[in-house]
Amino acid sequence: EPEVTQTPSHQVTQMGQEVILRCVPISNHLYFYWYRQILGQKVEFLVSFYNNEISEKSEIFDDQFSVERPDGSNFTLKIRSTKLEDSAMYFCASSLEQAGDTEAFFGQGTRLTVV
Amino acid sequence: KQEVTQIPAALSVPEGENLVLNCSFTDSAIYNLQWFRQDPGKGLTSLLLIQSSQREQTSGRLNASLDKSSGRSTLYIAASQPGDSATYLCAVSLMEYGNKLVFGAGTILRVKS
Repeated sequence: EPEVTQTPSHQVTQMGQEVILRCVPISNHLYFYWYRQILGQKVEFLVSFYNNEISEKSEIFDDQFSVERPDGSNFTLKIRSTKLEDSAMYFCASSLEQAGDTEAFFGQGTRLTVV
Repeated sequence: KQEVTQIPAALSVPEGENLVLNCSFTDSAIYNLQWFRQDPGKGLTSLLLIQSSQREQTSGRLNASLDKSSGRSTLYIAASQPGDSATYLCAVSLMEYGNKLVFGAGTILRVKS
């Protein structure tokens, strides 16, 4: 069964460093998303991406964050200068159509620890 | 602003029991509602999707209902098993922002053998 894959599963980084989280969405999906879950808190929407541009973003998604689809298969989230409060589980998701019409499928997550 | 609330926060039941998890949302202008399962430290597995025009969806021992006008959904699990132990999350997709899911905090379910 097709699935969303994320790498790495766990990343430890020093405060101020740049990190890139990688995702391979399901191959025929057109909409891509990043969510995050701080330990013990709700899953929060960060950004959605369609047709090579951001379609929506939350207040969390400030200038320190960026997303890119560098080729036909990968979808990345870059955090330019990490802060302690960026420590969280980051989930990539994809859907065939916009989330209102079809299921969103999530990856297993990347646990980011900023020290 | 859409708020999603799940009750109870935690539930512990003996194996074989039927159970109901509740989800409520403040704004009824939703496209759909999705139930997910999350195992500790793992990703989200989609269980059921209910479109706003539907009343319920079934998959195996799971049945989810949706009452959009009252802002409520329930997830019914029949004949619970220890393998059902996980956190169950509900999420709504907003009509105003079709690409965004708003999640509840989840119900932590433990099924004792």
